[in-house]
Amino acid sequence: GNSVTQMEGPVTLSEEAFLTINCTYTATGYPSLFWYVQYPGEGLQLLLKATKADDKGSNKGFEATYRKETTSFHLEKGSVQVSDSAVYFCALSLPLQGAQKLVFGQGTRLTINP
Amino acid sequence: NAGVTQTPKFRVLKTGQSMTLLCAQDMNHEYMYWYRQDPGMGLRLIHYSVGEGTTAKGEVPDGYNVSRLKKQNFLLGLESAAPSQTSVYFCASSYPASDYEQYFGPGTRLTVT
Repeated sequence: GNSVTQMEGPVTLSEEAFLTINCTYTATGYPSLFWYVQYPGEGLQLLLKATKADDKGSNKGFEATYRKETTSFHLEKGSVQVSDSAVYFCALSLPLQGAQKLVFGQGTRLTINP
Repeated sequence: NAGVTQTPKFRVLKTGQSMTLLCAQDMNHEYMYWYRQDPGMGLRLIHYSVGEGTTAKGEVPDGYNVSRLKKQNFLLGLESAAPSQTSVYFCASSYPASDYEQYFGPGTRLTVT
């Protein structure tokens, strides 16, 4: 079936550290891949996306590359800030009878200490 | 634009009570979705709608009903609440393409005692 597996959290880093959150997926067909971020008390917001193999999504200093050969979409940031503290969700998108089904990973809670 | 809004933000129900969660979007999106978020499980799709007057089941539809009488609104109903329905509920909307992002509301935290 279709599934997303994320690196287990919580992850705690110091400000300016390098961040990697691993994400691998299993899917039939060729899904689009997304990273969503959820700040405390808020809904999910799209952070970045990639729609085909070798695409790189980027936003706010975060990057992720769609690797078909390793079925991965790891999230990276070179220097994290306290304001990056949030829960990060990797997701894949598949067609669903005319709509779009998002399959989410379990989420990774990130805390950045000053 | 307000985006996606949800009412109420919090609610506590007793087992067996009923309630309706309201989702509204002002982006003229065709597609709307209801998810539940449980610890360690990510979000799971309950029901979705591809247009006014249409609804369909997602992964975990049991115990829930939905209606989409107007394009901008998507209602989620619990006819007889159970403790297993304690969760955070998110509504989302999108344009009709698999690579378009879904826009999420702020969520409703529901506790069933």
